[in-house]
Amino acid sequence: DVKVTQSSRYLVKRTGEKVFLECVQDMDHENMFWYRQDPGLGLRLIYFSYDVKMKEKGDIPEGYSVSREKKERFSLILESASTNQTSMYLCASSGERTGSALFYGYTFGSGTRLTVV
Amino acid sequence: AQSVTQLDSQVPVFEEAPVELRCNYSSSVSVYLFWYVQYPNQGLQLLLKYLSGSTLVKGINGFEAEFNKSQTSFHLRKPSVHISDTAEYFCAVSEGGSARQLTFGSGTQLTVLP
Repeated sequence: DVKVTQSSRYLVKRTGEKVFLECVQDMDHENMFWYRQDPGLGLRLIYFSYDVKMKEKGDIPEGYSVSREKKERFSLILESASTNQTSMYLCASSGERTGSALFYGYTFGSGTRLTVV
Repeated sequence: AQSVTQLDSQVPVFEEAPVELRCNYSSSVSVYLFWYVQYPNQGLQLLLKYLSGSTLVKGINGFEAEFNKSQTSFHLRKPSVHISDTAEYFCAVSEGGSARQLTFGSGTQLTVLP
């Protein structure tokens, strides 16, 4: 069964801390995405990556950075956590060349609910 | 640029009643369309998809959706809902069949009442 695994389901951090959210996929997908989800605002794209060591800003990149050193891993970094970054964070991946993404769309992880206090 | 509109943010319905969740999109090119479901405190999972061919698409858990190109709609339906269908539902579009980015609607919370 194909999987996108997010390292933590629930996380509580203090204001000002540097926070790492990890996402690993085992489908050899080229594309990986980070979203945040807030009530009434739907899914908002933070960053995405189409290849190793490649990254592009999404709609709301401020306060975040990402790292993709290996194809299967895409990390989201909160450089200095703030209370307005309390949210549900969702990682997703999709394939490109094989066409599997056209068939399945995105595969999502289970999400990380981050609380910044 | 493509956009997706889910017209109803909340839909309450009684158990065993039919339901329709509405989705409209805007795009000037061909699209692929998806519906995802999210149960509380979980990620999104694929419910069904339209890529090509028959405009009536059947998915998991008894859901189906119909692609209407002239009305640029992809409404989700189920003839008889269960309590376990309570969840948030997201419509998404991929423009030009690209795997690279899906655009999501804002979601519809379906609440099934006993």
